[in-house]
Amino acid sequence: DGGITQSPKYLFRKEGQNVTLSCEQNLNHDAMYWYRQDPGQGLRLIYYSQIVNDFQKGDIAEGYSVSREKKESFPLTVTSAQKNPTAFYLCASSYTPGQGVSEAFFGQGTRLTVV
Amino acid sequence: QQPVQSPQAVILREGEDAVINCSSSKALYSVHWYRQKHGEAPVFLMILLKGGEQKGHEKISASFNEKKQQSSLYLTASQLSYSGTYFCGTEMNGNKLVFGAGTILRVKS
Repeated sequence: DGGITQSPKYLFRKEGQNVTLSCEQNLNHDAMYWYRQDPGQGLRLIYYSQIVNDFQKGDIAEGYSVSREKKESFPLTVTSAQKNPTAFYLCASSYTPGQGVSEAFFGQGTRLTVV
Repeated sequence: QQPVQSPQAVILREGEDAVINCSSSKALYSVHWYRQKHGEAPVFLMILLKGGEQKGHEKISASFNEKKQQSSLYLTASQLSYSGTYFCGTEMNGNKLVFGAGTILRVKS
């Protein structure tokens, strides 16, 4: 079955540690996105990538890093520089048919808690 | 750069109608609408492209006024299953997809 998979579902991190969230898709989509979801603030864009080996900062990129070495994979690293990392993280992918973005497919999310 | 959604929350009785609005200060290429149930991933409802088109999906439809940079989602004869948080996503130049803060919709029997 085609889809987008995030792992792990729950993640606990000690303050000062880096942690990497996995996102894999087998939909052959070019574009991939990372969003952070906090209560009352909706989905805020962290990073996005339109093509392999290229990515752009979103609105809240500070304290995060990404890589896009393969079309299927777009891992997100939450670094110790991120002041308030406890949140629900959603990864999405979409097809980009020449112009514009088609519907985005979301993973089931990773809930990160700093302890 | 997040689009602004209104209202923040709405409570309906089954069978009532609702409108959710989405506006942006930036020029838009397209507008997406998604619904998220508690604890689940957002699910795509529809996408509207430049040209002021209107689309429908069962009893849910939407319009996009490109000139005003606004979109509205119309839910008619609401059902319990319509409950959830609705997000509009706005696409700007370069395939950047940005979402609003969401509108919580609760349908009561």
